[in-house]
Amino acid sequence: NAGVMQNPRHLVRRRGQEARLRCSPMKGHSHVYWYRQLPEEGLKFMVYLQKENIIDESGMPKERFSAEFPKEGPSILRIQQVVRGDSAAYFCASSHEREFGFFGPGTRLTVL
Amino acid sequence: SQQGEEDPQALSIQEGENATMNCSYKTSINNLQWYRQNSGRGLVHLILIRSNEREKHSGRLRVTLDTSKKSSSLLITASRAADTASYFCATVPHSGGGADGLTFGKGTHLIIQP
Repeated sequence: NAGVMQNPRHLVRRRGQEARLRCSPMKGHSHVYWYRQLPEEGLKFMVYLQKENIIDESGMPKERFSAEFPKEGPSILRIQQVVRGDSAAYFCASSHEREFGFFGPGTRLTVL
Repeated sequence: SQQGEEDPQALSIQEGENATMNCSYKTSINNLQWYRQNSGRGLVHLILIRSNEREKHSGRLRVTLDTSKKSSSLLITASRAADTASYFCATVPHSGGGADGLTFGKGTHLIIQP
């Protein structure tokens, strides 16, 4: 059973471009969570999704950020018009039940 | 200060010694979890301890929880070079939630000297 997969592992974007981060949960997991880790910081919750539904997006910036978890395919975290402050590691976790998540290796976004 | 603060920020010990890290938090919790992050990698879930538990073991790991002091400790016995990593505690609030409700600290960076 493969773990949580994230791709790309590293992503470089120029200011104003769009960034799309993908997360494939572990087999059988229907809960997906996105966290962001700024340099030298702990992880901060962004959004919690179940298949086709956003359950809690209280940690998502109000603008430019969106997330989806379609019926088929990976969960996508989309950042429009990226700025330098978006540079961070973005982690996704998945779970079968809600209790705790298995984290993926992360996508490191660098905005030039 | 934030929920889930680890102490010390950095710890360097000799291989074979025991490493102890502490975590303090502010609000009532449902459970507390410890994670390990190797440099540039994802997080690995180590152990979960519930608010009604006081101590838990997993291999060389021992976690304690003192809800009256709102603190937890992670002890790694007989440390190995491969234990070099950052260790984070994360709390889930008493009001509930799960992996969506994790509040992480900034971590303790542990270095094991060979």
